[in-house]
Amino acid sequence: EDQVTQSPEALRLQEGESSSLNCSYTVSGLRGLFWYRQDPGKGPEFLFTLYSAGEEKEKERLKATLTKKESFLHITAPKPEDSATYLCAVQANQAGTALIFGKGTTLSVSS
Amino acid sequence: GAVVSQHPSWVICKSGTSVKIECRSLDFQATTMFWYRQFPKQSLMLMATSNEGSKATYEQGVEKDKFLINHASLTLSTLTVTSAHPEDSSFYICSATSGLDTQYFGPGTRLTVL
Repeated sequence: EDQVTQSPEALRLQEGESSSLNCSYTVSGLRGLFWYRQDPGKGPEFLFTLYSAGEEKEKERLKATLTKKESFLHITAPKPEDSATYLCAVQANQAGTALIFGKGTTLSVSS
Repeated sequence: GAVVSQHPSWVICKSGTSVKIECRSLDFQATTMFWYRQFPKQSLMLMATSNEGSKATYEQGVEKDKFLINHASLTLSTLTVTSAHPEDSSFYICSATSGLDTQYFGPGTRLTVL
C-alpha cells in the first residue's frame, strides 16, 4: 500500500534555529514527490517537486532533498512568517496524477 | 502563474439544501481537477478526480449522488453537495493540473451546515 509518513507532527523553533522536516514514503513507483505549505484556513501552496534520488531544490530559506525512501525539507534560519503546516505528497506511477498526502508537520517559529 | 480560485470562500446553509462550489483555473487550462476534503488538523482526503468532458472518478467511500462533480470546461469544475447535512460540514479544496504533474490548489471553501 502506498503510504506517506511525516515527522515530527509538530516542531517549535526559535527564530534563526535551523532544522529539518522528514517525509518517508512507500510507493510502488515514484513519479514525483511534492512539498506544499498550508496556512490555517487556506489551500496548500506549492513549494517543490522532486523526481529522482539525489535531486535538490531551493527557495529562499527552504531546501528540499530526495532519496529513494525519504525526503527532507531543510529550513535555514527560519523566521516567524515561516510558521505553517508543511505537507508532503507523492505521486505514484500507477495512481495516475492522484496525490497521496502525509499528515503534515506544523511548524511554529517564535521571535 | 498557475492560479486556482474557488467560490464561495465560505458558505452556511440549512440542512437539506444543496450547495454548489466552483473551482476555476485562472491562467492555464486544467485537463484534470481534483476535489479534496479536509477535517480540522487532518490532512487532505481525495474525494474525486475529474477530467474535462468526462464523468468524475470517485474515491472509495465517497457518495456519488451526494457529491456531484461537473467539469464542463478546461477552466471550470463544480462540486455540488446535495441535501447537505451537518456531517457534510468541512473544508473543501480543489486542485488543478495542466497535464504535467504539479497540482495547484485553490484557497478552499468552508461549508457549515446548520
